[in-house]
Amino acid sequence: AQSVTQLGSHVSVSEGALVLLRCNYSSSVPPYLFWYVQYPNQGLQLLLKYTTGATLVKGINGFEAEFKKSETSFHLTKPSAHMSDAAEYFCAVHRIGGSYIPTFGRGTSLIVHP
Amino acid sequence: NAGVTQTPKFQVLKTGQSMTLQCAQDMNHEYMSWYRQDPGMGLRLIHYSVGAGITDQGEVPNGYNVSRSTTEDFPLRLLSAAPSQTSVYFCASRPTSAHTGELFFGEGSRLTVL
Repeated sequence: AQSVTQLGSHVSVSEGALVLLRCNYSSSVPPYLFWYVQYPNQGLQLLLKYTTGATLVKGINGFEAEFKKSETSFHLTKPSAHMSDAAEYFCAVHRIGGSYIPTFGRGTSLIVHP
Repeated sequence: NAGVTQTPKFQVLKTGQSMTLQCAQDMNHEYMSWYRQDPGMGLRLIHYSVGAGITDQGEVPNGYNVSRSTTEDFPLRLLSAAPSQTSVYFCASRPTSAHTGELFFGEGSRLTVL
């Protein structure tokens, strides 16, 4: 069975503070890992992805994520939160085992306080 | 570039009514899919298609039908709407089912069933 787990349905930070959104997956083969962001009343858009190569990947708006095989994790971070980062964030696995059908986590709502 | 276009953006139905959510993409993508988004549940796959004439069920297919007569279009049909189908629906596509790139999403269709 394939699964993607995002810890915390809501994460609240102050503007300027570190952002850490957690994602763990289960897979029997190296997965393709993605983070998407959804702003209010919009569709999802790509934030960053890992397929092969360097395990630390950088995305848009200063976000980055590190693929850690030993921990089966792909946590999303940003050193300093901005008010405009307030959105819903989804971790997704685009390859688990022999399946290329994307599976999404339940999402984490990032709240940024002034 | 239009990308993925969904219509309508909003719809209110009465229980038992039927309707079709339209999805069209102009990127010549072989892979298209429909998700529903509900609070706390993330995105759940309803149906997907890996090419014209080929469709398959996702995680939550009951109550929905799809067809794929052209590469560009992938309509989602509700034959007899139920209140449990109140949700936000997203259409998404990518070049092929095994592609390492991201999914491209439409802006969503918000459906309310009374």
